[in-house]
Amino acid sequence: GAVVSQHPSRVICKSGTSVKIECRSLDFQATTMFWYRQFPKQSLMLMATSNEGSKATYEQGVEKDKFLINHASLTLSTLTVTSAHPEDSSFYICSARRTAEAFFGQGTRLTVV
Amino acid sequence: GENVEQHPSTLSVQEGDSAVIKCTYSDSASNYFPWYKQELGKGPQLIIDIRSNVGEKKDQRIAVTLNKTAKHFSLHITETQPEDSAVYFCAASISSGNKLVFGAGTILRVKS
Repeated sequence: GAVVSQHPSRVICKSGTSVKIECRSLDFQATTMFWYRQFPKQSLMLMATSNEGSKATYEQGVEKDKFLINHASLTLSTLTVTSAHPEDSSFYICSARRTAEAFFGQGTRLTVV
Repeated sequence: GENVEQHPSTLSVQEGDSAVIKCTYSDSASNYFPWYKQELGKGPQLIIDIRSNVGEKKDQRIAVTLNKTAKHFSLHITETQPEDSAVYFCAASISSGNKLVFGAGTILRVKS
């Protein structure tokens, strides 16, 4: 299957700092990528849809100024968690669709201390 | 919008037995139904999918069935093995580009 690479897999940061997570589609071009957040023992919660060359579309209740998304090329989308706080600690996962099939990155475990 | 319900939330089976997970969806326009396996600390992995123009698809020990009239689809795992233990998610969407709507997940435990 297609490969979506997400980096870093784990990150620990101090409160008030910003963290950038990268998502790359390695063997196909993705005009659209998706960012999810997953709490322990729960399903994936869609945060935003990242569109290459245009603004991201955020789901209701997700702060766009806190979770900055940039999709500058057909193979790279980034999620920046700005001014992180302990409540932002979570598992973040990106996804890219190749026609109908959606492939997921390995996920990033963010811990804010 | 689309709503996907998944049952059961947990499922324990003996190694070698079969496991069945069921999902229902609400939007009749949905035409793509993937299943994902997620292991602890990892991203979901696509294991099988089905489109609305077929009723069943099989890949070795894994099969998916779709009933469009009743708006439900199921994952069947035969001859389960301990390595099948994971969380399984169903999802539904309109093909190409639109977001996936996920079920709540099923924790499958295969006891050896």
